[in-house]
Amino acid sequence: GAGVSQSPRYKVTKRGQDVTLRCDPISSHATLYWYQQALGQGPEFLTYFNYEAQPDKSGLPSDRFSAERPEGSISTLTIQRTEQRDSAMYRCASSSGYYNEQFFGPGTRLTVL
Amino acid sequence: EDQVTQSPEALRLQEGESSSLNCSYTVSGLRGLFWYRQDPGKGPEFLFTLYSAGEEKEKERLKATLTKKESFLHITAPKPEDSATYLCAVQENTGNQFYFGTGTSLTVIP
Repeated sequence: GAGVSQSPRYKVTKRGQDVTLRCDPISSHATLYWYQQALGQGPEFLTYFNYEAQPDKSGLPSDRFSAERPEGSISTLTIQRTEQRDSAMYRCASSSGYYNEQFFGPGTRLTVL
Repeated sequence: EDQVTQSPEALRLQEGESSSLNCSYTVSGLRGLFWYRQDPGKGPEFLFTLYSAGEEKEKERLKATLTKKESFLHITAPKPEDSATYLCAVQENTGNQFYFGTGTSLTVIP
């Protein structure tokens, strides 16, 4: 695609519900990153994929967070049993390789009530 | 300990008033340092990558430089459309994480 897209753009959920966020990277990009960005802060690393492999998920805050990229293209980030502290902007970025710049999507604003 | 610290947090400039933004980092081995621009409500937009001390890159009114401990983003004769938050990120050579700073919010007044 022309750029990185994310859906939904906004998600409001109740505490305890599960949510799944989707990222559609630039089609030729092998590497995909997930970030959490709080207001007024820089993006904070959650995990990344190289094609379908997930070499590093050390930034995931708890085992309620998981991510997949089963076919090496679209990725999902799932948060189980959401808590209010999970409210944030979740951003996805893709890159053509480890050493190259990342292209960010518009983000999903998650609000947990 | 923060790997990346940006200063100042906020900067207001008159149009045409040149200045510099600072990004200091404390990673053990640097693979690359990245500058991004972020407009309100949007994702960060890539500006530059710097890989080694002494390297410089330019784009329009922006010039990025790198030393062994910090990077500067110099803005020459800024215009109101340069108003944005500028983010710095570093990538260590031992992994693939990117560590972002908290950004400098730049406002250029006409």
